[in-house]
Amino acid sequence: QKEVEQNSGPLSVPEGAIASLNCTYSDRGSQSFFWYRQYSGKSPELIMFIYSNGDKEDGRFTAQLNKASQYVSLLIRDSQPSDSATYLCAVNSEGNQFYFGTGTSLTVIP
Amino acid sequence: NAGVMQNPRHLVRRRGQEARLRCSPVKGHSHVYWYRQLPEEGLKFMVYLQKENIIDESGMPKERFSAEFPKEGPSILRIQQVVRGDSAAYFCASSESRNTEAFFGQGTRLTVV
Repeated sequence: QKEVEQNSGPLSVPEGAIASLNCTYSDRGSQSFFWYRQYSGKSPELIMFIYSNGDKEDGRFTAQLNKASQYVSLLIRDSQPSDSATYLCAVNSEGNQFYFGTGTSLTVIP
Repeated sequence: NAGVMQNPRHLVRRRGQEARLRCSPVKGHSHVYWYRQLPEEGLKFMVYLQKENIIDESGMPKERFSAEFPKEGPSILRIQQVVRGDSAAYFCASSESRNTEAFFGQGTRLTVV
């Protein structure tokens, strides 16, 4: 059974702080890693993807991947109240479906 | 990523009726995934299709549920003889190839009364 684990939270951070979201996965053959943001009542929105070990930065977001530890994280710098949402980690290996974690609820406190 | 179109956005069916959910992927995408989401819960995989083929249907109930993605036209998720437990949000996502990023549609909210 391929699993993606996330801390369900809720995670609360003050406005302007760094929010750190973590995800582990069980399938060592996983090749692609994604972070989605989902606001309540809305559909998931892709915010980052990463394929190689290391860091990938896009604006205030940084995705970090460590395949040896089977660990992927998302850092949100200068957190804003509008970042309050559920963040979904997804993992994919070629030819397979996307496996999603249950999501981490983030609240940014003004 | 605004290209995945799902319709209808909201669907109300009486118990025992059929629900038909449609998904038009991003132009050029040939991979489609269907997920179900209950309130305050995560995304549950249902089925993964490529044009005219079902690649993985391990998450789809064996009875009453079926999916297709024909050569022409949208992908269809069909639920026959709906029951109250089928009430959920159904999301479709599409990707260009097997392990590239997938984009979601706005979802169909199914309510069974």
